[in-house]
Amino acid sequence: QQPVQSPQAVILREGEDAVINCSSSKALYSVHWYRQKHGEAPVFLMILLKGGEQKGHDKISASFNEKKQQSSLYLTASQLSYSGTYFCGTEQYNQGGKLIFGQGTELSVKP
Amino acid sequence: DAGVTQSPTHLIKTRGQQVTLRCSPKSGHDTVSWYQQALGQGPQFIFQYYEEEERQRGNFPDRFSGHQFPNYSSELNVNALLLGDSALYLCASSARQDTGELFFGEGSRLTVL
Repeated sequence: QQPVQSPQAVILREGEDAVINCSSSKALYSVHWYRQKHGEAPVFLMILLKGGEQKGHDKISASFNEKKQQSSLYLTASQLSYSGTYFCGTEQYNQGGKLIFGQGTELSVKP
Repeated sequence: DAGVTQSPTHLIKTRGQQVTLRCSPKSGHDTVSWYQQALGQGPQFIFQYYEEEERQRGNFPDRFSGHQFPNYSSELNVNALLLGDSALYLCASSARQDTGELFFGEGSRLTVL
């Protein structure tokens, strides 16, 4: 029941865009996105609660297609600070608080 | 405002021993979740505590147990340690009435020899 993330890794030049996908075989109540830098704790980016919902935070946004149980994270005009491993965490109905994380997508932004 | 604090940061144990990890949640948070993160993997949900009771549990054996105290702090206990228990153990806190955003601590790195 672990969500599947793609790609597993991506290398960008500063200013380029990237999309990270998260797909689940289970009906989802919400999708969370976190970023973890090497040796640090995961940091919350955003949560999406309803189908078709989109959210944005600076140049990072995300969408959640409830019908397909898929979420995508969009990083626009990437900055060096975007480097890290991105995890989606999925929450099923009636399992409040139990987040199942994907295996992660390692993003490297080069100058 | 202190965030989530965990102790110890690093520890080494031998197979068969027992370990206790501690977590103080962010101020204002009443819910604590524990995750196990193996190297190169995503965090795996162990369990969640709210109002001093275990509310949700992941696929972990009974060797993993926990406790939440009246001040919302929490402990994770692992008995009969196995080599495979070596991992980073993350504590995450949240507020029940909020949307579920998790605040993670820096983790406790456990090495089992």
